Amino acid sequence: EVHLVESGGGLVQPGGSLRLSCAASGFTFSGYWMSWVRQAPGKGLEWVAIINLDGTAKYTVDSVKGRFTISRDNAKNSLYLLMNSLRAEDTAFYYCARFYASGWHYYFDYWGQGTLVTVSS
Amino acid sequence: QSVLTQPPSVSAAPGQKVTISCSGSSSDIGNNYVSWYQQLPGTAPKLLIYDNNKRPSGIPDRFSGSKSGTSATLDITGLQTGDEADYYCGAWDSSLTNWVFGGGTKVTVL
Repeated sequence: EVHLVESGGGLVQPGGSLRLSCAASGFTFSGYWMSWVRQAPGKGLEWVAIINLDGTAKYTVDSVKGRFTISRDNAKNSLYLLMNSLRAEDTAFYYCARFYASGWHYYFDYWGQGTLVTVSS
Repeated sequence: QSVLTQPPSVSAAPGQKVTISCSGSSSDIGNNYVSWYQQLPGTAPKLLIYDNNKRPSGIPDRFSGSKSGTSATLDITGLQTGDEADYYCGAWDSSLTNWVFGGGTKVTVL
């Protein structure tokens, strides 16, 4: 059974940094693209970043470009999101999601339970 | 403002049908497959429909999806109280090399 467990969320001051982790199990981690999706409290889903199988290709939403970095460690079955220069508008639940990518077929087939990041002084 | 446009809310009585629309453009829905996600209150999103109209194992056939041009539709028939949730459409945007979601639709069972 696929399991994705996020950790690393918490309260951070504006301008601060945080690193989120996602521990994956139940599937061959190196065989799947992975992604982060966030959701501000009471708001809709916002895609944040995607990384390919070996980490050589990464895509991020414009609002976090230059501040957030997605990475992965296939040996540790782990996905990461390094968040710098955090702003109040980055406050959200951050979900780790497995991204199915084959040919022109793309979708998020499994999601973690999320970790809350609060940016506030 | 979301790239894909969904109605904020839809509602119907138990047993009835609701339809949720998702409108995009040629760079996203028009040239890529659409997926739908269900988010029950207080839980993480779950894949409901992929490749426009395919259901993952365990998703009842009361849920169906379709796509035409730059728009997609999710139908829920035989509405149940347990279907009360937020529903999101999504697709890859080839021009932005980004994933895009709709703003979400809240389904209420009257």
